[in-house]
Amino acid sequence: AQKVTQAQTEISVVEKEDVTLDCVYETRDTTYYLFWYKQPPSGELVFLIRRNSFDEQNEISGRYSWNFQKSTSSFNFTITASQVVDSAVYFCALRIETSGSRLTFGEGTQLTVNP
Amino acid sequence: KAGVTQTPRYLIKTRGQQVTLSCSPISGHRSVSWYQQTPGQGLQFLFEYFSETQRNKGNFPGRFSGRQFSNSRSEMNVSTLELGDSALYLCASSIVPQVYEQYFGPGTRLTVT
Repeated sequence: AQKVTQAQTEISVVEKEDVTLDCVYETRDTTYYLFWYKQPPSGELVFLIRRNSFDEQNEISGRYSWNFQKSTSSFNFTITASQVVDSAVYFCALRIETSGSRLTFGEGTQLTVNP
Repeated sequence: KAGVTQTPRYLIKTRGQQVTLSCSPISGHRSVSWYQQTPGQGLQFLFEYFSETQRNKGNFPGRFSGRQFSNSRSEMNVSTLELGDSALYLCASSIVPQVYEQYFGPGTRLTVT
């Protein structure tokens, strides 16, 4: 069975601080995909990134960066110079090759960025 | 391109009633998945449809059912509502299953009283 763990339930930072959201996953499958989604108060899940198990290259997109390490089964997300608009719940999710579109989500991390 | 749309956005029902939620995927997307989000259980997969066929089903009782139409629009139905069915129901679409990412709609907030 697949499992995703986001140990940080809530994080509170002051604007312009850097913040890292942790994600640890479990799967026995060798082919899988990892995702991060953002859920603002409106409720809609906003796609941020997809990473497949064969691509451990880290990625940077503006103030966002992701660190994928298969050795530790982690897929961490860092926001640099956080802004109030980054306040949301962030979800890490896992999809295995044989499960169609089915996503297994972590519990989510509530990020609050204070001005 | 319009995103995933879900109707209605809010719904209040009484225990024992049934409810039907609707989801229209992004144009060109043929796979639709449904998720239930509650404070206690988090985000849980309900089922996935592709080409009008259910491909995958989560661990939910038979009261939860769904279908997909030839235009890829999908509906989910919950019969004999229970208080615990109160949740945000999210629909997601992708081009085809197993390919790329899913895009989510704004959800339907169901309250059962």
